[in-house]
Amino acid sequence: SQQGEEDPQALSIQEGENATMNCSYKTSINNLQWYRQNSGRGLVHLILIRSNEREKHSGRLRVTLDTSKKSSSLLITASRAADTASYFCATVRKGSGNTGKLIFGQGTTLQVKP
Amino acid sequence: EPEVTQTPSHQVTQMGQEVILRCVPISNHLYFYWYRQILGQKVEFLVSFYNNEISEKSEIFDDQFSVERPDGSNFTLKIRSTKLEDSAMYFCASRDISGTTQETQYFGPGTRLLVL
Repeated sequence: SQQGEEDPQALSIQEGENATMNCSYKTSINNLQWYRQNSGRGLVHLILIRSNEREKHSGRLRVTLDTSKKSSSLLITASRAADTASYFCATVRKGSGNTGKLIFGQGTTLQVKP
Repeated sequence: EPEVTQTPSHQVTQMGQEVILRCVPISNHLYFYWYRQILGQKVEFLVSFYNNEISEKSEIFDDQFSVERPDGSNFTLKIRSTKLEDSAMYFCASRDISGTTQETQYFGPGTRLLVL
């Protein structure tokens, strides 16, 4: 089964607007993480939320987690052109032992127009 | 700030050739990973490595793949006989096993492998 499916697949907004990306998953998780990838580059860790947490903030980022709906959202407030990138959610499945293997979604491509 | 490094950044090889992708994880980390991303697709887990042995591997990680930690700093992925479908970006990641960031994986910049 697919784990970590994001929507929308692509999002285009104006600078200063907020961007919301959603992620759904299918199995029970230990935690869910969001990563950013600039075009053709590496993955940058943004934020981690554990299964017993409901909301977390980091700067302009706000992540929510609803384990009953098996979904998470990433909100970027007051977006900037530099936020243009692909955003991925990744889950660590519960019961995966201590390997911490990440299962990634397809990602949301965000374009912020100046 | 410590970071994961990978070499080379790009590699072009002929089908059937062996390639070795190299990674230097963050120095105090003990868990190491390889992932790959085929162009336009999502990132896929290949293998995790801890205490000098594979702790988990995916179906992709068949007998053509192997990993090694030859010394105290490097972590390598070898593909013995490359196929066209091995063309992808390969990411190395590492994490600590204690402390407040133990669940966070830190990724390297990737090696783009092209098999012709």
